[in-house]
Amino acid sequence: DARVTQTPRHKVTEMGQEVTMRCQPILGHNTVFWYRQTMMQGLELLAYFRNRAPLDDSGMPKDRFSAEMPDATLATLKIQPSEPRDSAVYFCASGLGSGGVSGNTIYFGEGSWLTVV
Amino acid sequence: AQSVTQLDSHVSVSEGTPVLLRCNYSSSYSPSLFWYVQHPNKGLQLLLKYTSAATLVKGINGFEAEFKKSETSFHLTKPSAHMSDAAEYFCVVSAKTSYDKVIFGPGTSLSVIP
Repeated sequence: DARVTQTPRHKVTEMGQEVTMRCQPILGHNTVFWYRQTMMQGLELLAYFRNRAPLDDSGMPKDRFSAEMPDATLATLKIQPSEPRDSAVYFCASGLGSGGVSGNTIYFGEGSWLTVV
Repeated sequence: AQSVTQLDSHVSVSEGTPVLLRCNYSSSYSPSLFWYVQHPNKGLQLLLKYTSAATLVKGINGFEAEFKKSETSFHLTKPSAHMSDAAEYFCVVSAKTSYDKVIFGPGTSLSVIP
């Protein structure tokens, strides 16, 4: 059963520390998304990639966040330095960006639950 | 421009009674429409999707939704609620041929009363 895999599932870290979240998209998917979910803001799109190239990262705070795809099977989201306001659930999702009958379905991972103290 | 409105932030139903979660959208494109469900401490799971075929779409767990272009609506229904249906539900609209305009609604929290 193909799925998006995220690590770590849970992370507690101190303010100022670097946090790296990893995502393995579904094999064959060429589009990868990073979302952040909080009670106050709901789901926010941070960035997304098509064929490993960043297409849109306008939702991501550039001063401390960075997103990369070193290869087709790995996407990373890094926060440096982390702050308490970064506490949230970070979801990775993937899809096959060809449109058409696929209907652009996005498949989500289980999320990385980040707490910055 | 695209947008999604979920008319109720919270819906409460009794077990065994019908469920109706409302979604209205606006889109400059021919849209694809989706419903996702999120159970507590879990990721988002696809319930169903509309692309361009039948306007009545059947999904998992007995849910279905009807695309009504004239009303720009895509309401989610289920004939009989089950306790396991208690979750957050998101209506999503995207451009049919691109991910570039994927918009999530704010979500509707469904409670099921025994």
